[in-house]
Amino acid sequence: EADIYQTPRYLVIGTGKKITLECSQTMGHDKMYWYQQDPGMELHLIHYSYGVNSTEKGDLSSESTVSRIRTEHFPLTLESARPSHTSQYLCASSGVTNEKLFFGSGTQLSVL
Amino acid sequence: TQLLEQSPQFLSIQEGENLTVYCNSSSVFSSLQWYRQEPGEGPVLLVTVVTGGEVKKLKRLTFQFGDARKDSSLHITAAQPGDTGLYLCAGGGADGLTFGKGTHLIIQP
Repeated sequence: EADIYQTPRYLVIGTGKKITLECSQTMGHDKMYWYQQDPGMELHLIHYSYGVNSTEKGDLSSESTVSRIRTEHFPLTLESARPSHTSQYLCASSGVTNEKLFFGSGTQLSVL
Repeated sequence: TQLLEQSPQFLSIQEGENLTVYCNSSSVFSSLQWYRQEPGEGPVLLVTVVTGGEVKKLKRLTFQFGDARKDSSLHITAAQPGDTGLYLCAGGGADGLTFGKGTHLIIQP
């Protein structure tokens, strides 16, 4: 079973608030990813990391930022949430590039 | 940019029927993965194929990688309601994984 955890599962928040979505994995994986997925739509890669102190922007432009201070932790932050940020955010990790991705259960974010 | 096209986008069939969904690209991939995602959850890997022409079976599911490693198919025999979900293919390349848009599959009892 995948040991990757995301919190919170659901978040409803007002416009302008700062939020941090948490993602932790206990598998010792170097590679971690954040995907954004609208209901029933494809996954868009917004951030990824190849290890501690490594962060890169993905294919889809995002106003969010990430950090990777510890191997197991890859939080995503939105400084000022807007309704356009409403979406599902999925965190994933893998041991090797192009190897199996382990996904968390996601955070469903709604910005009012 | 490598693109993966999945078809059909939506498929609704009766329990017990067979079905095939497709994942096509003009690009060559080093590997091809299939994931299944249920509502409100993250995708879960079903299989990885790496060799052109490779066929893998997972109970009632049969996965095939095209000879040229540009396409793949997923065939389900005697579909069950538990097969309902979003099926995503993902191709591996130098820049990591590229996901298709998925096929929404509904199996009606």
